[in-house]
Amino acid sequence: NAGVMQNPRHLVRRRGQEARLRCSPMKGHSHVYWYRQLPEEGLKFMVYLQKENIIDESGMPKERFSAEFPKEGPSILRIQQVVRGDSAAYFCASSTVASPSTDTQYFGPGTRLTVL
Amino acid sequence: AQSVAQPEDQVNVAEGNPLTVKCTYSVSGNPYLFWYVQYPNRGLQFLLKYITGDNLVKGSYGFEAEFNKSQTSFHLKKPSALVSDSALYFCAVRASSGSARQLTFGSGTQLTVLP
Repeated sequence: NAGVMQNPRHLVRRRGQEARLRCSPMKGHSHVYWYRQLPEEGLKFMVYLQKENIIDESGMPKERFSAEFPKEGPSILRIQQVVRGDSAAYFCASSTVASPSTDTQYFGPGTRLTVL
Repeated sequence: AQSVAQPEDQVNVAEGNPLTVKCTYSVSGNPYLFWYVQYPNRGLQFLLKYITGDNLVKGSYGFEAEFNKSQTSFHLKKPSALVSDSALYFCAVRASSGSARQLTFGSGTQLTVLP
């Protein structure tokens, strides 16, 4: 059973460009979470999605960031007009539809974004 | 608001000795508690979780953690450390009530096991 897949693993962008990060959840998982890890810090929650729905985006910056999880295909985290402060590791996690008492989030390998 | 504190940025232990990585939490109501490990340039690997029941939880690779409600702690332990246990360890919490599923992570503890 393949784990959570993320691509690309490394992404370099110049200031002002767009970054698109992709996440394919584990087979059978329909909940996706995005977290950001800044250098020397822990992970910070960004957004929680189910298929075709954003459930909780309380951790997303108000501007330039958006996320989607379409009916078909991977979840996408999109950052428009990137700035140097966006440089970080972005992790995706997935979980099943089971009740919260059994819900474990499994993480992908992350995408390391570098903004020049 | 929920929070996690990992008071030690760095823990060093000799191979074969027991190890403890500390974690305290704050959450409304009962907590769900998790430990993850991160190796360099890798994602987080799930180690163990506490949901309810026995306060001593056993997980992967010989790790265990003890939930202490009165001290709001969930320390990670292993009886005999291996050099290969050297990694960054994260404690995380989620409230058991409400619809929020986000995890709140501590800042991490770098464990180094010395040969």
